[in-house]
Amino acid sequence: TQLLEQSPQFLSIQEGENLTVYCNSSSVFSSLQWYRQEPGEGPVLLVTVVTGGEVKKLKRLTFQFGDARKDSSLHITAAQPGDTGLYLCAVTQGGSEKLVFGKGTKLTVNP
Amino acid sequence: DTGVSQDPRHKITKRGQNVTFRCDPISEHNRLYWYRQTLGQGPEFLTYFQNEAQLEKSRLLSDRFSAERPKGSFSTLEIQRTEQGDSAMYLCASSSYSEAFFGQGTRLTVV
Repeated sequence: TQLLEQSPQFLSIQEGENLTVYCNSSSVFSSLQWYRQEPGEGPVLLVTVVTGGEVKKLKRLTFQFGDARKDSSLHITAAQPGDTGLYLCAVTQGGSEKLVFGKGTKLTVNP
Repeated sequence: DTGVSQDPRHKITKRGQNVTFRCDPISEHNRLYWYRQTLGQGPEFLTYFQNEAQLEKSRLLSDRFSAERPKGSFSTLEIQRTEQGDSAMYLCASSSYSEAFFGQGTRLTVV
């Protein structure tokens, strides 16, 4: 079983639409990270959330960490073609340095 | 410094051959990670170095895989007797404390 379940797996929308993607788990985490990965490139960190209930905004992107620190969401307002990519959530566990990633949500924003 | 650099970007090899990949981290970063990513999946942890010491290895890292970071700077990942299942994107990341920066990856195709 996956530690982090991301949904939806695929999302194709038109430019200007809003969307939300989710990252869920049954485990509690001290922090959670969101990355975006473009084809042929490595993941790029967007944000780290650490406090239950925390909301962080990055331009048109809004990230929320669940109150119980088990889940997170990413909301994009007025999506643009440049938002196209694979959105990954990731956590560290139990003092390990390694990141554990979800499978990601592949977002396509059509002009 | 232009970020994490990986070489080569692409490698096609015949089954049974050995391959070696190189990663040059951001110069002041003492932590270096290797991940593997297959189609439709998020990156999976392989191994982690702090300076020259290899501190953590995944069970995914079979005895055909070996990684080194001889002087605490660049790192190499070698795969011996490659198999078709080794086809994947191999990602390197480095960090100094919190945020991990990823390279563009080496895409390996075993034919």
